[in-house]
Amino acid sequence: EPEVTQTPSHQVTQMGQEVILRCVPISNHLYFYWYRQILGQKVEFLVSFYNNEISEKSEIFDDQFSVERPDGSNFTLKIRSTKLEDSAMYFCASSEVRLAVYNEQFFGPGTRLTVL
Amino acid sequence: SQKIEQNSEALNIQEGKTATLTCNYTNYSPAYLQWYRQDPGRGPVFLLLIRENEKEKRKERLKVTFDTTLKQSLFHITASQPADSATYLCALDPRNQGGKLIFGQGTELSVKP
Repeated sequence: EPEVTQTPSHQVTQMGQEVILRCVPISNHLYFYWYRQILGQKVEFLVSFYNNEISEKSEIFDDQFSVERPDGSNFTLKIRSTKLEDSAMYFCASSEVRLAVYNEQFFGPGTRLTVL
Repeated sequence: SQKIEQNSEALNIQEGKTATLTCNYTNYSPAYLQWYRQDPGRGPVFLLLIRENEKEKRKERLKVTFDTTLKQSLFHITASQPADSATYLCALDPRNQGGKLIFGQGTELSVKP
């Protein structure tokens, strides 16, 4: 069964460093998303991406964040200068378009980001 | 203000019984709701999606209802098994926001043998 994959599974970085989190969405999906979950808290939406541009972004997704689809398979989230409060589990998700409506989102296993 | 709330307390039930989880929302008019299962340290796993024009959806031992008047969705697991023990998340689409999902805080379900 096709699935969303993410690398790395765990990333440790120093405050102020740049990190890139990588995702390979399900191959026939056209909508891509990033969410994060701080330990013990809700899953929070960061950004959605369709047709090579951002569709929607949350207040969390400020100028320190960017997303890219550098080739036909990868979808990346970059955090330019990490802060302690960026420590969280980051989930990538993807969904297909059927009948011109949004559909179920399939999540990857997550990347645990620890900022020291 | 806008809210999405699930039973905050953990739900403990005996194997074989039906588990019922609640998701209430205020000041949203979602086009659909999704239910997910999340195990510790893992990503949410999609279970069911129900649209605003659907009252009920079933998949094997799972059933979800959606009442747009009460602004509530109920999620049922019949003939529950210890393997069903996990946190269950509801998520709604706030409509016309790029597919964004707003998640509840989740309800932890524990099924005892």
